[in-house]
Amino acid sequence: DAKTTQPPSMDCAEGRAANLPCNHSTISGNEYVYWYRQIHSQGPQYIIHGLKNNETNEMASLIITEDRKSSTLILPHATLRDTAVYYCIVNTGGSQGNLIFGKGTKLSVKP
Amino acid sequence: GAVVSQHPSWVICKSGTSVKIECRSLDFQATTMFWYRQFPKQSLMLMATSNEGSKATYEQGVEKDKFLINHASLTLSTLTVTSAHPEDSSFYICSARGGGYGNIQYFGAGTRLSVL
Repeated sequence: DAKTTQPPSMDCAEGRAANLPCNHSTISGNEYVYWYRQIHSQGPQYIIHGLKNNETNEMASLIITEDRKSSTLILPHATLRDTAVYYCIVNTGGSQGNLIFGKGTKLSVKP
Repeated sequence: GAVVSQHPSWVICKSGTSVKIECRSLDFQATTMFWYRQFPKQSLMLMATSNEGSKATYEQGVEKDKFLINHASLTLSTLTVTSAHPEDSSFYICSARGGGYGNIQYFGAGTRLSVL
């Protein structure tokens, strides 16, 4: 599976958009980009995933660059409850695939 | 999204005893289940992958005789930590994939194991 690079930490003001970047320059053509988050002492929560098109759901938007070498997770209106570690993972998603977690980005949403 | 239930959420046991952790997919059939371990201030580490009715595939460095995994049905997997020692104290998290949710892995809430 391709490796990802994320900043170790970011701050965001409550109510503002949080933009979390992820670099995956070695991504293969059949690998998806998955985003999860882990709030302290809980299991990871699925946020969104995509292959090459931008995706949006009730939690967030995922913007993938045209060359697919990087992506950005956008939380449009961050709240204090969005404080968590956010993981960007690339994976084929196939029957043999499993998620390998890196260190992620610790997002701190501040009042 | 799908719901994965993990039980117990917290367990304290004496050194040398065995502990069983259950993981259930509540609203879908999990063809594949995963077990992760997380030490304080570290990321999740995959321990093993199991498919229903098959033996689990363990990651390098994970002792299969110490961490027994059973995936007997499409909705239940168990992890048994045998002869637990203080160094086995950790946060254990299960994950499941399958059903109509495609290739998305959903996670349980985790089990915090403290071995005295």
